Amino acid sequence: GAVVSQHPSWVICKSGTSVKIECRSLDFQATTMFWYRQFPKQSLMLMATSNEGSKATYEQGVEKDKFLINHASLTLSTLTVTSAHPEDSSFYICSGMQGSKDEQYFGPGTRLTVT
Amino acid sequence: DQQVKQNSPSLSVQEGRISILNCDYTNSMFDYFLWYKKYPAEGPTFLISISSIKDKNEDGRFTVFLNKSAKHLSLHIVPSQPGDSAVYFCAASGTGTASKLTFGTGTRLQVTL
Repeated sequence: GAVVSQHPSWVICKSGTSVKIECRSLDFQATTMFWYRQFPKQSLMLMATSNEGSKATYEQGVEKDKFLINHASLTLSTLTVTSAHPEDSSFYICSGMQGSKDEQYFGPGTRLTVT
Repeated sequence: DQQVKQNSPSLSVQEGRISILNCDYTNSMFDYFLWYKKYPAEGPTFLISISSIKDKNEDGRFTVFLNKSAKHLSLHIVPSQPGDSAVYFCAASGTGTASKLTFGTGTRLQVTL
């Protein structure tokens, strides 16, 4: 099956710093990648959709200047949380989709803790 | 506004029995529905999907039923196995594909011996 990896799996950063999370599709070309955030005991909330080579489309309420998304190639997307605050602490999950197929393949997630 | 709801946060079923997980949605524009299974500290894994033009889709032990008039779908797992113990999320899309998914809050299934 299609595999998506994320790096790092767990990161702690200090308030005010920035942190980058990588999402890679290992055995398929992800023309579209999605970034989700999951708070404890809550559902996955879609943050943004990115297509390779294009600017990301952000969901309502998600600050595009705070959550920078880059989808530079068909196998790599990055999410940079800028000027992180403790309320940004969450579980961030990416997924990739090949063309318009009816499946998203999810990465294992990255747990971000901002102190 | 939670457009996809899973009202049972947890469910316990004996091994070999049927597990029924339920999901309700409010947005009539949703036309594609999926179920995902998730283990702790891992990303969701796709299980089964159904288009709004169908009312049933079956894949091995997993069957998804869709009742459009009631805006309700359910996942049946028969027979349930201990390895099925996980959190199950239903998700919905209004694009006819798996893009722009809206997830439910999840149901934790525990299959006991």
